Amino acid sequence: GAGVSQSPSNKVTEKGKDVELRCDPISGHTALYWYRQRLGQGLEFLIYFQGNSAPDKSGLPSDRFSAERTGESVSTLTIQRTQQEDSAVYLCASSLGQVGTDTQYFGPGTRLTVL
Amino acid sequence: AQSVTQLDSQVPVFEEAPVELRCNYSSSVSVYLFWYVQYPNQGLQLLLKYLSGSTLVESINGFEAEFNKSQTSFHLRKPSVHISDTAEYFCAVSSMIYNQGGKLIFGQGTELSVKP
Repeated sequence: GAGVSQSPSNKVTEKGKDVELRCDPISGHTALYWYRQRLGQGLEFLIYFQGNSAPDKSGLPSDRFSAERTGESVSTLTIQRTQQEDSAVYLCASSLGQVGTDTQYFGPGTRLTVL
Repeated sequence: AQSVTQLDSQVPVFEEAPVELRCNYSSSVSVYLFWYVQYPNQGLQLLLKYLSGSTLVESINGFEAEFNKSQTSFHLRKPSVHISDTAEYFCAVSSMIYNQGGKLIFGQGTELSVKP
């Protein structure tokens, strides 16, 4: 079946502009995660959603970052007033549930460049 | 809170040589352990994971990792590497505490480069 998809694959924006990144999880997966990978660094957890529970936003680096999820489907990550340090690859992953044993399946990522 | 340290950022080896990619973690609670791999121009995918039971886990392509609780390590090994193993490898942990969800804490990655 289809895997996790993300759009756009690449985004170049100017400092100060807002951007929206989209993630389509695997159908039937109730848990959805956002991570980011800055150049030369490992992946950092940003936020996760599980069903109708309140999202865990503990990884969001500032209040310029927010995310929404519609039911158990599409999620959007919004970055307001982008800064150069926001440049990174943003990865989305989904899994069957929130339990730590479930394998997370990653999308191809969105490469964000802030000029 | 958890943290993961991958001790080598780059590991160059010759084809058919053995390799070990090192991973140590720190956590105040019990964790599950994972190795993910990212091949050139591909997405991140699970290589193997330790959940419980035997401390030695294997992947379908010949890698193995051993969970050592006393040393808080989860090193990845392969006795004979192939050119196709060239990739970046990430070690990760997630908390066993159910209401902390399954968020993964990653190491910084190790770039394995296999040369002919």
